[in-house]
Amino acid sequence: SQTIHQWPATLVQPVGSPLSLECTVEGTSNPNLYWYRQAAGRGLQLLFYSVGIGQISSEVPQNLSASRPQDRQFILSSKKLLLSDSGFYLCAWSVINNEQFFGPGTRLTVL
Amino acid sequence: AQKVTQAQTEISVVEKEDVTLDCVYETRDTTYYLFWYKQPPSGELVFLIRRNSFDEQNEISGRYSWNFQKSTSSFNFTITASQVVDSAVYFCALSGGSYNTDKLIFGTGTRLQVFP
Repeated sequence: SQTIHQWPATLVQPVGSPLSLECTVEGTSNPNLYWYRQAAGRGLQLLFYSVGIGQISSEVPQNLSASRPQDRQFILSSKKLLLSDSGFYLCAWSVINNEQFFGPGTRLTVL
Repeated sequence: AQKVTQAQTEISVVEKEDVTLDCVYETRDTTYYLFWYKQPPSGELVFLIRRNSFDEQNEISGRYSWNFQKSTSSFNFTITASQVVDSAVYFCALSGGSYNTDKLIFGTGTRLQVFP
């Protein structure tokens, strides 16, 4: 069966510090991978998606970047965090035309 | 442009009541998919259902049922005999079939509180 992992589960970082969130998927090959952000009390915003290794599409201009160094690994990064980067970050995977399955999420607080 | 509207921000019911969560969508695609997800307090999104645009049959799964009506662009979700464990935020989502990336467009969610 497929599983998706995210770490860390929670993170508190100062403004201006770097960020690296990791997402890995097990039990499937060549999945589509996604990063979403959910601000407090709000819906989900798609940040990045990837259909293959090294292929990243950005949905909104922002202070973040994503990379996919391996088939089942998706990394969300920032060189300098802003206060507005605080939120709940969710990674998801899918195969074409099927439902997305979400990871447990990372709660990021930027102080 | 694709859009999902969940007009109900928050609903409160007493246990055993039936409750319907509304979802209205907009899309120009002829092939598309609709989804419902549940987000309990833990935060992880739990997949509930996927429906493609060519299948308008209503679906029932235990206490959950979904009513898909293309004529009104709606995909409503009903919980029968609600329970406290149903308390969560519920998201409706839409994806287009025209692309191979299956980007989901989420509504803003409806927070359901079921009181004992």
